[in-house]
Amino acid sequence: DTAVSQTPKYLVTQMGNDKSIKCEQNLGHDTMYWYKQDSKKFLKIMFSYNNKELIINETVPNRFSPKSPDKAHLNLHINSLELGDSAVYFCASSHAAGTGGNYEQYFGPGTRLTVT
Amino acid sequence: AQSVTQLDSHVSVSEGTPVLLRCNYSSSYSPSLFWYVQHPNKGLQLLLKYTSAATLVKGINGFEAEFKKSETSFHLTKPSAHMSDAAEYFCVVSKRGKLIFGQGTELSVKP
Repeated sequence: DTAVSQTPKYLVTQMGNDKSIKCEQNLGHDTMYWYKQDSKKFLKIMFSYNNKELIINETVPNRFSPKSPDKAHLNLHINSLELGDSAVYFCASSHAAGTGGNYEQYFGPGTRLTVT
Repeated sequence: AQSVTQLDSHVSVSEGTPVLLRCNYSSSYSPSLFWYVQHPNKGLQLLLKYTSAATLVKGINGFEAEFKKSETSFHLTKPSAHMSDAAEYFCVVSKRGKLIFGQGTELSVKP
């Protein structure tokens, strides 16, 4: 199936731990994103990569570090997890947005992170 | 600055009756606007998008939205609600590839 996939679907961990979430898309898109959805369902962009290059970096703590080994993958690594990091994290992809185009984005199923 | 405001946090309709989910936008130029739907514990699915080609946009599952520049609105409608339409709906504006989400409207459908 062509899609955006994320692993794991659920992640429960303790404060202070380091964890990673993986994202892969096989849609042939050039741009990938990470969004955070809080407990009130509000969605906000965190990062965007275009062809492995960081193009959007919102005001996110530097404990969060995205890594894009190739344009089909965008992983999110989080150091020293805090209670407030508990949320659902969504990966998305689209055609190239770096030129100012506003293409629709396709979302993965989400990763529910719970920090205890 | 680009932004969207969804005027209702929760809308409840009976099955078979029309659906109206309201969205106003703020943009300094002609915006790209989207509606996404999120079913419980699922990812987001694109319902429809407006990119200035036509003011009335048809989407999936019988939904449509009308872009009204004079009212800065992009309301989502459906003539007849189904139980399966119960979900969270997001109005979204795009700014240089970055999606800016509204607060969401939870749609409940009563039998």
